[in-house]
Amino acid sequence: LAKTTQPISMDSYEGQEVNITCSHNNIATNDYITWYQQFPSQGPRFIIQGYKTKVTNEVASLFIPADRKSSTLSLPRVSLSDTAVYYCLVGAGDSSYKLIFGSGTRLLVRP
Amino acid sequence: EADIYQTPRYLVIGTGKKITLECSQTMGHDKMYWYQQDPGMELHLIHYSYGVNSTEKGDLSSESTVSRIRTEHFPLTLESARPSHTSQYLCASSALGTGFAGELFFGEGSRLTVL
Repeated sequence: LAKTTQPISMDSYEGQEVNITCSHNNIATNDYITWYQQFPSQGPRFIIQGYKTKVTNEVASLFIPADRKSSTLSLPRVSLSDTAVYYCLVGAGDSSYKLIFGSGTRLLVRP
Repeated sequence: EADIYQTPRYLVIGTGKKITLECSQTMGHDKMYWYQQDPGMELHLIHYSYGVNSTEKGDLSSESTVSRIRTEHFPLTLESARPSHTSQYLCASSALGTGFAGELFFGEGSRLTVL
């Protein structure tokens, strides 16, 4: 199972771009990389998913290098409401549906 | 919006009681999951299911049990609740399959307090 490593916490200010990197050195060939956002007392919510290169949607971008051993979630122009915990999740390919979350990154956005 | 429901949302019970946390989804997903999460801490996978009549234990040892008799229903049971079981329990489902990742849809959680 691919284990993920993320920074425990990050601080930012409103309007800045935030990049959160996740390491997953033993990612399997068919594994996808998915990022989730969680607010207190709620279940995680899907943000973005990718397999390789770059993926962009209306809320974020996901950058995955060629070796796929890491990925970077980019949040453009964060606001106070982006204060949350962000999880990188690797899996859901042929290897396993046993989806294990890492420790996550606690992002604090300041005014 | 995800169609996955958990009941009860909040439960306070005494030690030794048997409890069942209900989880239902109307999306026809094969894969379902139970996670346990203490306040401010990470999510721990305690049970998951590939489909009807298939259940597996997760990474965190749990005294709870699960069943999957119907696709849409994945209840979690504690035969004899203890204070150490106090936590939030989150249910999730996904349509993921081989070569298709899909996303996890989470319920709103069941917050259990055992006195």
